[in-house]
Amino acid sequence: KQEVTQIPAALSVPEGENLVLNCSFTDSAIYNLQWFRQDPGKGLTSLLLIQSSQREQTSGRLNASLDKSSGRSTLYIAASQPGDSATYLCAVNTNAGKSTFGDGTTLTVKP
Amino acid sequence: DGGITQSPKYLFRKEGQNVTLSCEQNLNHDAMYWYRQDPGQGLRLIYYSQIVNDFQKGDIAEGYSVSREKKESFPLTVTSAQKNPTAFYLCASSSRTGRAGQPQHFGDGTRLSIL
Repeated sequence: KQEVTQIPAALSVPEGENLVLNCSFTDSAIYNLQWFRQDPGKGLTSLLLIQSSQREQTSGRLNASLDKSSGRSTLYIAASQPGDSATYLCAVNTNAGKSTFGDGTTLTVKP
Repeated sequence: DGGITQSPKYLFRKEGQNVTLSCEQNLNHDAMYWYRQDPGQGLRLIYYSQIVNDFQKGDIAEGYSVSREKKESFPLTVTSAQKNPTAFYLCASSSRTGRAGQPQHFGDGTRLSIL
């Protein structure tokens, strides 16, 4: 059974700092991996999707990497801003359409 | 604008009552999903459907039921058999897997509480 772990569970950084969020998964037979942002009481917003054949994806200040063989993905946020404060979730998807989510990392960026 | 609409935003259930959560999408997506989220935790898959008139159980399907009679609609019923229904319920959709995997798009959720 696929298990997804996100470390750390919470992170607090000063504005302007670069940071890395981690996601690890136990079964490397994945179809793709998706990073989401969730604001309190809201649904999820997709940030980046990495196919199993890809190594990384970039969108603005965000860069996500995938190392399928070691079961790891990272989300790099450059020059963090208070508006980046949210919970970040990673989801590992199989070809059968099933997704397994981590418990998320709650990020606080202090002005 | 294309998107996913969940209703109601808040729902209260009395003991022994069945309640139905609505999920509608106008993205022309084939696949739809229902997740449950408990405080401080990630999402757990309840049911998913990859095509009309077909759906599969996820990891925590007990006490829930779904239907997929139309492409754009995937309602979730929380039955009285679900003894701990208080949670945040999220609906999502995506283009059909089998081609290059497409991202999931989410609604804004329904918060269900017990009276």
